Amino acid sequence: EPEVTQTPSHQVTQMGQEVILRCVPISNHLYFYWYRQILGQKVEFLVSFYNNEISEKSEIFDDQFSVERPDGSNFTLKIRSTKLEDSAMYFCASSEIAGGTGEQFFGPGTRLTVL
Amino acid sequence: GDSVTQMEGPVTLSEEAFLTINCTYTATGYPSLFWYVQYPGEGLQLLLKATKADDKGSNKGFEATYRKETTSFHLEKGSVQVSDSAVYFCALSLSGGSNYKLTFGKGTLLTVNP
Repeated sequence: EPEVTQTPSHQVTQMGQEVILRCVPISNHLYFYWYRQILGQKVEFLVSFYNNEISEKSEIFDDQFSVERPDGSNFTLKIRSTKLEDSAMYFCASSEIAGGTGEQFFGPGTRLTVL
Repeated sequence: GDSVTQMEGPVTLSEEAFLTINCTYTATGYPSLFWYVQYPGEGLQLLLKATKADDKGSNKGFEATYRKETTSFHLEKGSVQVSDSAVYFCALSLSGGSNYKLTFGKGTLLTVNP
């Protein structure tokens, strides 16, 4: 069964460092998403991506964040200069179609710890 | 703004007990509603969904009915198993334009004891 994969499973970094979180969406999917969950809080939407451009982003997704689909398979989230409050579980998701009838398939997440 | 509120956990039940996890929503439009489940060490998986009022989503013995009048989508299961132990997330999505994001509740940890 096809699945979304994410690497690494756990990333530890120093404040101010750049991190890149990687995701491989399901191969025939066209819509890609990043969400995050700070420990004990809600899963929050960060950004959606379609046709090689951002289609929507949340207030959290400021200039420190960027996304890229560098080749036909990977979808990355870059945090340019990490802050302590960026520590969270980051989930990648993809869907074949958009909208309420399009199921989003999630990866297992990357736990980011900023020291 | 759009939001989802679900009952606080953790919820601990014995095997074969009845489960209800409450979920209510606030939305500016007419949302689709979802329950996602996260088993230990895994990603979020769609458990069931409903796209219009009075629809009942069901899967693996779990059910939830879209109630527009009470803006609710409560998750129920008649007889839980140890393997149902997981975190359950209620979520909504508003279609239209590019607004396909999921808005989640906080999640409810369910532990089922043998």
